Amino acid sequence: GENVEQHPSTLSVQEGDSAVIKCTYSDSASNYFPWYKQELGKRPQLIIDIRSNVGEKKDQRIAVTLNKTAKHFSLHITETQPEDSAVYFCAAMEGGGADGLTFGKGTHLIIQP
Amino acid sequence: ETGVTQTPRHLVMGMTNKKSLKCEQHLGHNAMYWYKQSAKKPLELMFVYSLEERVENNSVPSRFSPECPNSSHLFLHLHTLQPEDSALYLCASSQDPLARAYEQYFGPGTRLTVT
Repeated sequence: GENVEQHPSTLSVQEGDSAVIKCTYSDSASNYFPWYKQELGKRPQLIIDIRSNVGEKKDQRIAVTLNKTAKHFSLHITETQPEDSAVYFCAAMEGGGADGLTFGKGTHLIIQP
Repeated sequence: ETGVTQTPRHLVMGMTNKKSLKCEQHLGHNAMYWYKQSAKKPLELMFVYSLEERVENNSVPSRFSPECPNSSHLFLHLHTLQPEDSALYLCASSQDPLARAYEQYFGPGTRLTVT
């Protein structure tokens, strides 16, 4: 089965700086890689996703990069703001059928004012 | 947000009790999922239903029993649970995995405490 590793477990950055969270996956058949943001006491919410036929995707201050050869993908947040503080989860899924997501352990992002 | 709802939001039960968690999605999706979220562990997939057929059971103990009577409703029946089963149970749905519409929408979760 799929195994997803996520680093770091905690990341503290100054407001306005950039944050990068990295994930690796084990199953080369995985072809869908979403990132979820979970604020304290709330449900995970999708913030960006990427499919294996694309190397990079951007949405305003958020970007995701995918290296299929190395089996790793990263989340980049620029110009961080206090509301970016949350736990971020990466995930991977093999899309041949109705498969669930395999999640990383999460990164607690702290934005220092 | 009312796309995916879960009841109850909080549940305390003894190890000999029987209870059920309910999930309902109002998004017209065809696939539904149960995940378990424990402290300091990744979200763990428990069950997948696609078009009301169970597709995957990730070696979940038999004290957890899912039911999907139709594409909008998903239940998780609980009996003789253990304290280590205490966790946040999240339901999710997606449009149509077979059509590569993968985005999963999560419900608010049920916080379960087993005493």
